[in-house]
Amino acid sequence: QLQLQESGPRLVRPSETLSLTCNVSGVSIGDTSFYWGWVRQSPGKGLEWIGTFYSYNESPTYNPSLSSRVTISVDASKNQFSLRLISVTAADSAIYYCARQGVVLPTPLHFWSQGTLVTVSS
Amino acid sequence: DIVMTQSPDSLAVSLGERATINCKSSQSVFFASNNKHYLAWYQQKPGQPPKLLIYWASNRELGVPDRFSGSGSGTDFTLTISSLQAEDAAIYYCQQFYKVPHTFGQGTILEIK
Repeated sequence: QLQLQESGPRLVRPSETLSLTCNVSGVSIGDTSFYWGWVRQSPGKGLEWIGTFYSYNESPTYNPSLSSRVTISVDASKNQFSLRLISVTAADSAIYYCARQGVVLPTPLHFWSQGTLVTVSS
Repeated sequence: DIVMTQSPDSLAVSLGERATINCKSSQSVFFASNNKHYLAWYQQKPGQPPKLLIYWASNRELGVPDRFSGSGSGTDFTLTISSLQAEDAAIYYCQQFYKVPHTFGQGTILEIK
């Protein structure tokens, strides 16, 4: 049974880097053909798609509004993937979700993590 | 960006009655080569992540009760709950995954009357 669990700091200072890891259990990222993604949710912006990646040597696709600051990477040996967002501001405070998508792009978000609240504040 | 606009913002429906939520995209989300609309519906309950209900406008996700159905074409889509149950009280979102960035509607709050 698939489980997704984020880990990482819940409080980040302005101008610093937000880093989250999504730990995957129940399926092997490296052995499957799924796409994986990140989404965030805030009271001000609602649901916002951050980006999607595929574990097999394919460049991630990012939301253009975030592409200059965001990096999604995967560590198949640890069965996890990560989100890195640089130069954060209060507007980046949100609940961050990782998700399993389908096997063919474009694809909806089939299964979501519980989410983790990240606050940007000094 | 494709703008997704839902209506109404909120509605209250009696148990056993039909609930209808609308979603309009600012441009078509139809992919002619495979005859599919790249439109999804999600349900979110308090303290929980969104849950996928419908994708390709009308395909029900595995395990979703058949009282949930999606319809529409072009730029206008509808989520219908045929006989409202107490557990259906939630916020519902539409999403287009046709064009990057994949965008969501603002959400519709569904309450039990």
